[in-house]
Amino acid sequence: DVQLVQSGAEVKKAGESLRISCEGSGYSFTSYWITWVRQMPGKGLEWMGRIDPRDSYTNYSPSFHGHVTMSSDKSSNTAYLQWSILKASDTAVYYCARRYSQGDSGMDVWGQGTTVTVSS
Amino acid sequence: SYELTQPPSVSVSPGQTARITCSGDALPKLYAFWYQQRAGQAPVLVIYKDRERPSGIPERFSGSTSGTTATLTISGVQAEDEADYYCQSADSSDAWVFGGGTKLTVL
Repeated sequence: DVQLVQSGAEVKKAGESLRISCEGSGYSFTSYWITWVRQMPGKGLEWMGRIDPRDSYTNYSPSFHGHVTMSSDKSSNTAYLQWSILKASDTAVYYCARRYSQGDSGMDVWGQGTTVTVSS
Repeated sequence: SYELTQPPSVSVSPGQTARITCSGDALPKLYAFWYQQRAGQAPVLVIYKDRERPSGIPERFSGSTSGTTATLTISGVQAEDEADYYCQSADSSDAWVFGGGTKLTVL
């Protein structure tokens, strides 16, 4: 089965750092971009950016550029989203999703989401 | 920044047709995608490249575009279709963007 499995829920304090993960299986990991999407409590989906696992090229949304860092490890088929300084406003569910790098097939497989809670 | 505009809510009775619109200036040039998100679940792709349906998505889901508006149509709505629906596209710098989402209520 093709799937993206994300790391578990996190509870942190403002000012702390955090890295969450997204592991792909059942497909060629380097043939698909990984995109990250934020959903704040009771709100809509927000595109944060994407990474190409072949060469780690990244494209960030201006809204998130400089506040998060996306990375990937081809050897373990895993993508990461990290914060060096968390804020209470980072409290949200974070989804990873894949999109075929050679065509506009949409984000066709999604992870289950990682809930991040940041207390002030 | 580029925006996609959706109505906040749409309500239909079972068996009727639901139409959810998404407006954006770049939609005549760039594809629209649609995602369904049921309560407490991850989103699911239901339409890609304006009108294509992924395998496993029921035929009652269809997509279309006209000018700056993309439309998701759900024919013969069922109770299980109650969810939030999001359109998604890209801007001129290839940054992706979601619409604000539409809550579909099945009466």
